[in-house]
Amino acid sequence: SQTIHQWPATLVQPVGSPLSLECTVEGTSNPNLYWYRQAAGRGLQLLFYSVGIGQISSEVPQNLSASRPQDRQFILSSKKLLLSDSGFYLCAWSVRERDTQYFGPGTRLTVL
Amino acid sequence: AQKVTQAQTEISVVEKEDVTLDCVYETRDTTYYLFWYKQPPSGELVFLIRRNSFDEQNEISGRYSWNFQKSTSSFNFTITASQVVDSAVYFCALSASNTDKLIFGTGTRLQVFP
Repeated sequence: SQTIHQWPATLVQPVGSPLSLECTVEGTSNPNLYWYRQAAGRGLQLLFYSVGIGQISSEVPQNLSASRPQDRQFILSSKKLLLSDSGFYLCAWSVRERDTQYFGPGTRLTVL
Repeated sequence: AQKVTQAQTEISVVEKEDVTLDCVYETRDTTYYLFWYKQPPSGELVFLIRRNSFDEQNEISGRYSWNFQKSTSSFNFTITASQVVDSAVYFCALSASNTDKLIFGTGTRLQVFP
């Protein structure tokens, strides 16, 4: 069966510091991968998605970037965090386009 | 434009009551998919159901049932005989326009009291 992992689970970072969140999927090959952000008390916003290694689509211009160095690894990064980057970051995968997306456990990021 | 509206921000019920969560969507596409996800306090989104636009049959899974009505662009979710473990935020989502993007509603927080 397929599983999706995210780490770290929680993170507290000062403003201006770098960020690296990691997501890995097991039990499937060539998945579509997604990064979402959920601000406190709000819905989910798609940040990035990837259909293959090195292929990244950005949905919202922001302070963040994403990379997919391996088939089942998806990384969310920032060179300098802003207060507004605080939130709950969720990674998801799907078998193909428009298929069901399955979500990981999430990373709760607090920028102080 | 694609849009999902969950007008109910928060619902409180007592255990064993039935509860319906509303979802209204907007899309001009003829082919689209609708989803419901559950987000318990732990934060992880749990997939509940996926329905395509050509299948208007209602679905029942245990205490959960879904009513899809294209005429009113609604995809409502009913929990029968609610339990405390049903307490969570529930999201309705839409995938349309030949894209992989999921458009989420703002969610409905359900609190079930013993």
